Amino acid sequence: QSVLTQPPSASGTPGQRVIISCSGSSSNIGSYAVNWYQQLPGTAPKLLIYSNNQRPSGVPDRFSGSKSGTSASLDISGLQSEDEADYYCATWDDSLNVWVFGGGTKLTVL
Amino acid sequence: QVQLVQSGSELKKPGASVKVSCKASGYTFSTYNLNWVRQAPGQGLEWMGWINTNTGNPTYAQGFTGRFVFSLDTSVSTAYLQISSLKAEDTAVYYCARIRYSGSNDKSFDPWGQGTLVTVSS
Repeated sequence: QSVLTQPPSASGTPGQRVIISCSGSSSNIGSYAVNWYQQLPGTAPKLLIYSNNQRPSGVPDRFSGSKSGTSASLDISGLQSEDEADYYCATWDDSLNVWVFGGGTKLTVL
Repeated sequence: QVQLVQSGSELKKPGASVKVSCKASGYTFSTYNLNWVRQAPGQGLEWMGWINTNTGNPTYAQGFTGRFVFSLDTSVSTAYLQISSLKAEDTAVYYCARIRYSGSNDKSFDPWGQGTLVTVSS
C-alpha cells in the first residue's frame, strides 16, 4: 500500500484531456513539493514535473501540474499516443523520513 | 550532457552477492547526491536511500539496512549498490538517480540511470 494514492489506470482518446490525481497527507504533500515522473514501457522513469508545476526543459507544455493542500494532480492535454506510459507522483515524507512514491497510474491512449 | 550509466543485467543464485555500478558523466560528481530506487517486476517505485557523494556517507530507508550497501569510487565518478545474501524477492530493476535542486530548495530525481535488472533464481 503506497503512502501516496493514485488511480491505477486512466485512459483517453487522442486530443482529449486527462487528469491524474495523487493524494497524500500533511507529512508529505501537505509540506513538500510534488514531482511527477513518466515511465515509458521498458524504460527508466523520467522527470516530468518538479516543484509542483515546473516543467524541465524539453517537456511539452501539454503537461502541467498543480497542488492544493494534501493533493496534487497531473494534467495532460491534447493526449497523444506517445503519452501512453506509467505516471508516478513523489515527494518527501517527514514522518517516515523517506521519499515516497504513488503506486503509479497506467495511462492508455485508446 | 548529464548522464548516469549503469552496469548490465545480473543473474544470481540465492545467497550470492551482486554489485551494481552507476557511472556519472557530464557534471562534477561530488556536487550532487545519488539515490537508489527499486522496482520489482510489475510493481511501482520504492526509494532505497541515498549516498552523499562528497562524504561517502550513506543513508538507508527502512527495509534496506543490513544486506544493502551504498559506496563510491570518486576517482571514476561511480556509485555502487551491493546486495548480499540475495533472496528471490530481491529480483527487481535497480535505478540510480541524481538529486536535482530547484531554486526554491525543492528536490527531485533527475536524471535516472537506465536501470539494472537483478534476477535471483536457483
